Amino acid sequence: QSVLTQPPSASGTPGQRVTISCSGSSSNIGSNVVNWYHQFPGTAPKLLIYSNNQRPSGVPDRFSGSKSGTSASLAISGLQSEDEADYYCAAWDDSLNAVVFGGGTKLTVL
Amino acid sequence: EVQLVESGGGLVQPGGSLRLSCAASGFTFSSYWMSWVRQAPGKGLEWVANIKQGGSEKYYVDSVKGRFTISRDNAKNSLFLQMNSLRAEDTAVYYCARDNLYGDDAFDIWGQGTMVTVSS
Repeated sequence: QSVLTQPPSASGTPGQRVTISCSGSSSNIGSNVVNWYHQFPGTAPKLLIYSNNQRPSGVPDRFSGSKSGTSASLAISGLQSEDEADYYCAAWDDSLNAVVFGGGTKLTVL
Repeated sequence: EVQLVESGGGLVQPGGSLRLSCAASGFTFSSYWMSWVRQAPGKGLEWVANIKQGGSEKYYVDSVKGRFTISRDNAKNSLFLQMNSLRAEDTAVYYCARDNLYGDDAFDIWGQGTMVTVSS
C-alpha cells in the first residue's frame, strides 16, 4: 500500500488529453512539492515534472503538473503513442522523513 | 556526459550482505544530495535512502533502518549502499539517483540500475 495514491491505469486515444491523479496527505503533498516520473519497460525512470509544475529541459510542454491541497495531477495533452509508460508521483513526507512514491499508473494509448 | 553507473548487485542468501556502488561522472558530485531507489520485480518505485552533500545527514525508509547504510566518497565521486541482514523482500533493481539542486527531492539523473536477488 503506497503512501501516495494513484489510479493503477489510465488510457486515451492519440491527440486526446489525459490526467493522472495523485492523492496524499498533509504530511507529504500538503506541505511539500510533488515530482513526477515516467518509466518505459526495462529502463530507468526519468524526471518529468519537478516542484509541482516545472518541466526539466527537454520535456515537451504537452506535459504539465498541478497541485491543490493534498492532491496533485499530471496532464498530458496531444497524447502520442510514445507516451505509453508507467507514471509515478513522489513527494517528501515530513512524518516519515522519507520520499514517498505513488504506486504508479500504467498509461495505455489506444 | 552526466552519468551514474551502479555495480555490486547479485545473488545473495537471506541474512547475507552486499555492497552496492554508484560511480558518478560529468558533474560536481560533492554538490548534490544523492539517493538510492529500488524497484521489486513487476512493482513500483520505492525510495530507500539519501545522503547530504558532505554525508552529515542521512535518511532511510523504515523497512531498511538498522540494516542498510548509505555513504559516499566525494574524492572518488562514489555513492555506496551497504546492505546487511538481507531479506527476500529486498529483491529489486537498485537505482542510484541524483537529487536536483532545487532542494525538492526531484531525481533528475538516474543510473541504469543493478539487480539484487535475495534467495536461498
